[in-house]
Amino acid sequence: DAKTTQPPSMDCAEGRAANLPCNHSTISGNEYVYWYRQIHSQGPQYIIHGLKNNETNEMASLIITEDRKSSTLILPHATLRDTAVYYCIVRVSANDYKLSFGAGTTVTVRA
Amino acid sequence: DARVTQTPRHKVTEMGQEVTMRCQPILGHNTVFWYRQTMMQGLELLAYFRNRAPLDDSGMPKDRFSAEMPDATLATLKIQPSEPRDSAVYFCASGLPGPSNQPQHFGDGTRLSIL
Repeated sequence: DAKTTQPPSMDCAEGRAANLPCNHSTISGNEYVYWYRQIHSQGPQYIIHGLKNNETNEMASLIITEDRKSSTLILPHATLRDTAVYYCIVRVSANDYKLSFGAGTTVTVRA
Repeated sequence: DARVTQTPRHKVTEMGQEVTMRCQPILGHNTVFWYRQTMMQGLELLAYFRNRAPLDDSGMPKDRFSAEMPDATLATLKIQPSEPRDSAVYFCASGLPGPSNQPQHFGDGTRLSIL
């Protein structure tokens, strides 16, 4: 699986959009980008995933660049409950279903 | 919402004791994973099963750890004998791989402390 690079931490203001970057410059054509988050003392929670097109669900939006070498997770209106570690993971879709977690980005939402 | 259920949530025991952690995957999911999380190593995959058969257990210390799926609704992870370095949070996840690339879903973990 391709390696991902994320900033170690970031702060954002409550009510504002939080934009979380992820670099995956060695991504291959059949690899998906997945985002999970882990709130303190809980298991990782799936947020969103995509291959080429931008994706949106009730939690977030995922913007993938045209060359697929980077992506941005957008939390449209951050709340204090969004404080968590956010993981960007690249995974081949077919038979290999494993997830390799890096260090992620620690996001702190401040009032 | 369907959830992965793990028991116990917390376990404290003495070195040398057997520890059994249990996981009930989401109904219909045929792939089950065991992960371990420590401050030093982060989240690491120990083993995973598909249709109850082990697919990959290369991340698991074989001499003391064992993982099984007695049936489709139960996965177990055992440590015997336990050691202080096994102290960690152990997560189970389940999923249903296929063309739609549905994600894995995680339980809330078993927090294990070996004294």
